[in-house]
Amino acid sequence: QQQVKQSPQSLIVQKGGISIINCAYENTAFDYFPWYQQFPGKGPALLIAIRPDVSEKKEGRFTISFNKSAKQFSLHIMDSQPGDSATYFCAASGGSARQLTFGSGTQLTVLP
Amino acid sequence: DAGITQSPRHKVTETGTPVTLRCHQTENHRYMYWYRQDPGHGLRLIHYSYGVKDTDKGEVSDGYSVSRSKTEDFLLTLESATSSQTSVYFCAIREGNTEAFFGQGTRLTVV
Repeated sequence: QQQVKQSPQSLIVQKGGISIINCAYENTAFDYFPWYQQFPGKGPALLIAIRPDVSEKKEGRFTISFNKSAKQFSLHIMDSQPGDSATYFCAASGGSARQLTFGSGTQLTVLP
Repeated sequence: DAGITQSPRHKVTETGTPVTLRCHQTENHRYMYWYRQDPGHGLRLIHYSYGVKDTDKGEVSDGYSVSRSKTEDFLLTLESATSSQTSVYFCAIREGNTEAFFGQGTRLTVV
């Protein structure tokens, strides 16, 4: 049972373009929604995160949009750069142990 | 890498053999997690620990056991490795309500 669904599986964007990755969740007990960035051969690293009491969070070129009623959240990468080429995972957590439930990942390629 | 070391980084083993992966942290964090990463599945939680000798199962715990006898070490054991356990394994640590930090991963191949 996949509690966090992520799309698209892969994304190709031109340099300077906007990359958009979408996620949907089912468990209303989730209260923390991070995005992780992973480069080949490395572990995932936290990129940006949001809690459900806000609808948007921006850090530099990265923005999370959150829709609590629709149980959806998305990552927007403005002015995408070749260095942004990586795999991106959305995730959600809740409960005392705060274990993360991950989406299936999006492989982003930014063309120069 | 936030003081997390996974060992070994790569291992090839035969079906039916026992395998133990180690996660070592220098941060004294309470929570430690083992995930496996497979194409099309993202990362899935195997087991986690919320203190010394305190562990619980995750989404894909069948065929795996864990132990945490010291705060800094969290061991993942495959009692009898199968080809379906070929994967990349990641350890993560967390303290309180802060972000989770991941190790570099262990690539395990079961032949």
